[in-house]
Amino acid sequence: EAGVVQSPRYKIIEKKQPVAFWCNPISGHNTLYWYRQNLGQGPELLIRYENEEAVDDSQLPKDRFSAERLKGVDSTLKIQPAELGDSAVYLCASSLPGSANYGYTFGSGTRLTVV
Amino acid sequence: AQSVSQHNHHVILSEAASLELGCNYSYGGTVNLFWYVQYPGQHLQLLLKYFSGDPLVKGIKGFEAEFIKSKFSFNLRKPSVQWSDTAEYFCAVNARKYGNKLVFGAGTILRVKS
Repeated sequence: EAGVVQSPRYKIIEKKQPVAFWCNPISGHNTLYWYRQNLGQGPELLIRYENEEAVDDSQLPKDRFSAERLKGVDSTLKIQPAELGDSAVYLCASSLPGSANYGYTFGSGTRLTVV
Repeated sequence: AQSVSQHNHHVILSEAASLELGCNYSYGGTVNLFWYVQYPGQHLQLLLKYFSGDPLVKGIKGFEAEFIKSKFSFNLRKPSVQWSDTAEYFCAVNARKYGNKLVFGAGTILRVKS
């Protein structure tokens, strides 16, 4: 099993530039999550998808962040424009439908540095 | 608001010492509890989980955790740590009342000296 695949692993951009992250969940995992982990803190949920539907995006800063999961498989998370405070690790996770109780499988994350 | 508290941000132990990492949560109602571990340079991995039944749960690599409902706690323990246990440990909770959203504590960085 390939696990949750994220790319890129690292990204350095200047402030006000756009950036995008990509996630490929485990095959058959209909539920997909994007988390943000700031330095010294635990991950915080940004958005949760059930198939292609965003069922919880209450924590997503919608003025600059957007996400999509068009075919219910891969997902992209975009920031436009990026700010210095967006520097963090962006984690993708997936789980089987109805089994969020059993824990998620996380990807390796994308470490974003905004300069 | 729901929250998860981990008491120590940094813990340093010598090999063979016993470990206990504290975790408290503020939810009411039915909860599911998790400990995740992140080894240096690696992704978050599930260490153990509690849903129901025996409040003492055993995970991988000799770790265990005890759910004490009256104290809203889920502390992680290991009788004898090894250098390879050096990692960051995250407690996480989800509750059906809050849509099963997994909420993490701030993490505890454990360094084991050889």
